[in-house]
Amino acid sequence: GEDVEQSLFLSVREGDSSVINCTYTDSSSTYLYWYKQEPGAGLQLLTYIFSNMDMKQDQRLTVLLNKKDKHLSLRIADTQTGDSAIYFCAEGGGGGNKLTFGTGTQLKVEL
Amino acid sequence: KAGVTQTPRYLIKTRGQQVTLSCSPISGHRSVSWYQQTPGQGLQFLFEYFSETQRNKGNFPGRFSGRQFSNSRSEMNVSTLELGDSALYLCASSLGGQNNQPQHFGDGTRLSIL
Repeated sequence: GEDVEQSLFLSVREGDSSVINCTYTDSSSTYLYWYKQEPGAGLQLLTYIFSNMDMKQDQRLTVLLNKKDKHLSLRIADTQTGDSAIYFCAEGGGGGNKLTFGTGTQLKVEL
Repeated sequence: KAGVTQTPRYLIKTRGQQVTLSCSPISGHRSVSWYQQTPGQGLQFLFEYFSETQRNKGNFPGRFSGRQFSNSRSEMNVSTLELGDSALYLCASSLGGQNNQPQHFGDGTRLSIL
């Protein structure tokens, strides 16, 4: 079945870049997503990439996709304290709208 | 444009009771999916509804059921509640269609079972 893996924690200093990594197993994924969850809130869609792309940039966010290695990364430039949250990688397989999520990476931004 | 709205935000029930959660999707979205989030199991897919029909189902017991109305609003029902059903239940909506499309989530309903 589908599986998505992420590291659990990442700590960076304010102003540095953060890179959150994710690996997935389902080769039929059509879209890959990054969501952000702050305490007590739902999931905020940050960005997504279609499986036939290898890079997408959206302001401070850069998504890189290596389809051969089934590896996805999210780079946050100039990380701010407001970026502290849990970041989830998710993959959507072909057919329907089921998402398989990773365990989430807790990003801590220190001053 | 209003986002996905889930009601209620918080709910406390006791074992053996049943509960109904509601989700109003973004206007124009026809697909509604439900997910359960717990510290132990993470985010798990429950089911998806599109045009009032269940299109996808996760690996949850039959106590978990749902439905979708003609205006795309969806409800989820859990019967004979167990302690392990305590979780954040998240609803997501998308335009629909055949292939996976970006899903937008509500803030969830936090269900506590005593």
